[in-house]
Amino acid sequence: KNQVEQSPQSLIILEGKNCTLQCNYTVSPFSNLRWYKQDTGRGPVSLTIMTFSENTKSNGRYTATLDADTKQSSLHITASQLSDSASYICVVRTGGYNKLIFGAGTRLAVHP
Amino acid sequence: DTGVSQDPRHKITKRGQNVTFRCDPISEHNRLYWYRQTLGQGPEFLTYFQNEAQLEKSRLLSDRFSAERPKGSFSTLEIQRTEQGDSAMYLCASSSSLANHNEQFFGPGTRLTVL
Repeated sequence: KNQVEQSPQSLIILEGKNCTLQCNYTVSPFSNLRWYKQDTGRGPVSLTIMTFSENTKSNGRYTATLDADTKQSSLHITASQLSDSASYICVVRTGGYNKLIFGAGTRLAVHP
Repeated sequence: DTGVSQDPRHKITKRGQNVTFRCDPISEHNRLYWYRQTLGQGPEFLTYFQNEAQLEKSRLLSDRFSAERPKGSFSTLEIQRTEQGDSAMYLCASSSSLANHNEQFFGPGTRLTVL
């Protein structure tokens, strides 16, 4: 069964600190892996997309890694800001028509 | 605003009533998707259109649910005889089959509450 699991379920950090979110997947066939940020009550917004051959991709203070051998990905947030408070969802694309398998997300709260 | 738009943003209805949601995708996108998201979970796929053709429906889409995209542009999702378990955020996304990675862009969602 295609699954995407994320940890931790929730996380609280202080403003300015770094954090790393984890994603493990069992999806086949694998096309690419995406990290989305979802603010409360809003639709998800894409942060990064990585294909099988990419190990690292950065978008500002966000850096995603992908290990296709172990089927693991991480999202590292540097120098967190209050506006980083959101859910971060790991998503794996499979199949020909862009079928996406979503994780349940990690809810991040950044406190002053 | 050239993003995906959804209407209404919030809908409160009584059990048994019918509701209809609208999604306007990014204008040049030929693919459109509907998802349902419950609290604390990631979105779950409901259905997918390429142009006006509905190419796949999830088993989550019971016979009370129907989606259309009559002219290959906007789409509607109708829920008949709503149940309390239908309460969720309904998300629409669109993509272009010609774009790199076929990236999906999401709308803000319609939050449905069934009393």
